[in-house]
Amino acid sequence: QSALTQPASVSGSPGQSITISCAGTSSDVGGYNFVSWYQQHPGKAPKLMIYDVSNRPSGVSNRFSGSKSGNTASLTISGLQAEDEADYYCSSYTSSGTFYVFGTGTKVTVL
Amino acid sequence: EVQLLASGGGLVQPGGSLRLSCAASGFTFSSSGMSWVRQAPGKGLEWVSSISSTSGNTYYADSVRGRFTVSRDNSKNTLYLHMNSLSAEDTALYYCAKRLSGSSKGFDCWGQGTLVTVSS
Repeated sequence: QSALTQPASVSGSPGQSITISCAGTSSDVGGYNFVSWYQQHPGKAPKLMIYDVSNRPSGVSNRFSGSKSGNTASLTISGLQAEDEADYYCSSYTSSGTFYVFGTGTKVTVL
Repeated sequence: EVQLLASGGGLVQPGGSLRLSCAASGFTFSSSGMSWVRQAPGKGLEWVSSISSTSGNTYYADSVRGRFTVSRDNSKNTLYLHMNSLSAEDTALYYCAKRLSGSSKGFDCWGQGTLVTVSS
């Protein structure tokens, strides 16, 4: 099972919107509405930001939103803030013989 | 407050074994699926293993299947990962994570991680 494909880095200025893509296959992202997104600051544990493609856990800012089209999922951060600078990982349930697969990770830089 | 406290990491020689533990509190452990996720130094997240609430179902990444065994003791609110035949490729920070409840899939709470270093 190969990792889902994410861009290595995305950057934006404060207040702007950015979108991170997560490309998979019909066995994972495209086949199920079970994509989740995680934010990880340096030296910290990951934090769930989006689950089941577009649902936000309690306490997560509504500046974070998720969507999916075909085999590609996306995370959009609107009104970019300095605190959003972190690594972001997508994950999906997969029917390929394992259970979950993570993306390669994207470093978000706030300019 | 939901808390997961991982322990048991350390330095082990290639071919050696180690048992990780994850003590859970603040939620009904016996009703929650649990997982292990690892992160090699400077690398991304890798799902390792998951176990259902009653231990009836276990799942493994191809990279650890046959070498690692996940288990749990609901009477002690503790998750375990037994690791055998360790190699340098297993060097990583190992996180335990609580799976979302119901039909949703994802990990809504993570421990702080325990570091496993495989080296001679």
